[in-house]
Amino acid sequence: KNQVEQSPQSLIILEGKNCTLQCNYTVSPFSNLRWYKQDTGRGPVSLTIMTFSENTKSNGRYTATLDADTKQSSLHITASQLSDSASYICVVSASGGFKTIFGAGTRLFVKA
Amino acid sequence: SQTIHQWPATLVQPVGSPLSLECTVEGTSNPNLYWYRQAAGRGLQLLFYSVGIGQISSEVPQNLSASRPQDRQFILSSKKLLLSDSGFYLCAWSGRLTTGVQSEQFFGPGTRLTVL
Repeated sequence: KNQVEQSPQSLIILEGKNCTLQCNYTVSPFSNLRWYKQDTGRGPVSLTIMTFSENTKSNGRYTATLDADTKQSSLHITASQLSDSASYICVVSASGGFKTIFGAGTRLFVKA
Repeated sequence: SQTIHQWPATLVQPVGSPLSLECTVEGTSNPNLYWYRQAAGRGLQLLFYSVGIGQISSEVPQNLSASRPQDRQFILSSKKLLLSDSGFYLCAWSGRLTTGVQSEQFFGPGTRLTVL
């Protein structure tokens, strides 16, 4: 069964601190993995995309890693800011069709 | 540049009433279009996708239907809303798929639907 599981479900950190969000998936055959940021009441916005051959991708203070062997990905946020408060969604797509599985997301709260 | 619009932004409807949510895309041709629903604290659930005018595929059986009367217009409808139809509805578009590669999806601002 194609699944995407994210942890933790929610996370509270202080402004300026780093954090790491986890994503485990069982989607097959694997095509790519994306991390999205979704502000409350808004549509998700793509942060990074990685294919099978890529194991790290950065976008400013966001760095995503991918281990295709263990089917795990992480999103590391450096020097967090209040504006990083949002839900972060891991999305895995299978090749050859429209099969795209969304994780339930990690809700991040950054406090001053 | 491409933009995607959804309206209305929020909607409160009584049980049994009809529904029509509209999504339009600008700045691209022949997009793939998608409707998702997001329940509170849950992941996005794909409801419908379309690869062209009049071509609609449904992912889950439900009380909703979709139509694509024009290339860049996607409409989500219901004849009679249920309480369980409440949620956050997102429209998205993507470019044409290349072999074995899923194109990135770009999301609209969403519609918050509350059925009372």
